[in-house]
Amino acid sequence: AQSVSQHNHHVILSEAASLELGCNYSYGGTVNLFWYVQYPGQHLQLLLKYFSGDPLVKGIKGFEAEFIKSKFSFNLRKPSVQWSDTAEYFCAVNTGFQKLVFGTGTRLLVSP
Amino acid sequence: DVKVTQSSRYLVKRTGEKVFLECVQDMDHENMFWYRQDPGLGLRLIYFSYDVKMKEKGDIPEGYSVSREKKERFSLILESASTNQTSMYLCASRADPYNEQFFGPGTRLTVL
Repeated sequence: AQSVSQHNHHVILSEAASLELGCNYSYGGTVNLFWYVQYPGQHLQLLLKYFSGDPLVKGIKGFEAEFIKSKFSFNLRKPSVQWSDTAEYFCAVNTGFQKLVFGTGTRLLVSP
Repeated sequence: DVKVTQSSRYLVKRTGEKVFLECVQDMDHENMFWYRQDPGLGLRLIYFSYDVKMKEKGDIPEGYSVSREKKERFSLILESASTNQTSMYLCASRADPYNEQFFGPGTRLTVL
């Protein structure tokens, strides 16, 4: 069965620090990849997505992610985090079947 | 903007009660989903529906059923609520398998 791994469960950073959240998936075929974010008290919303083309994808609020097919990875990055980035981040993979498979999430706390 | 609404933000029920969670989307999406979200486990798919009156089991369907009589509405039913069904329930919809899912605000269900 397809699976998605997010190795960092909790990350604590100071403002202006750089962020990289790992995401690896187990599926050898064509994939569509997503990062979702859930701010405290809010619903899940899409940060960015990759379907095809340039493997470096830019999303909202200065986030980007890089798809590395050979490593089955889709890591999320931001060069300088802000306190308002405190949230839970979910990686998700669509393998072409009907459903998305989500990782277990990474809770990011940014201290001011 | 796509809007996915859920009938309740918070719900408290007793063990053995029948529980209905309602979800409505306003963008004529074909696919709808029910997830539960638990700390450390991420989002787990309960059921999904890719068309009216169609349903498919997700990863954790036991103890749940669903109904989709109209395209815009997807209901999750707990036939006999149990304490281990205390969780956050998220509904989502999408136009097709190659687009992102849009999430509702969630229903936090507590079963006493």
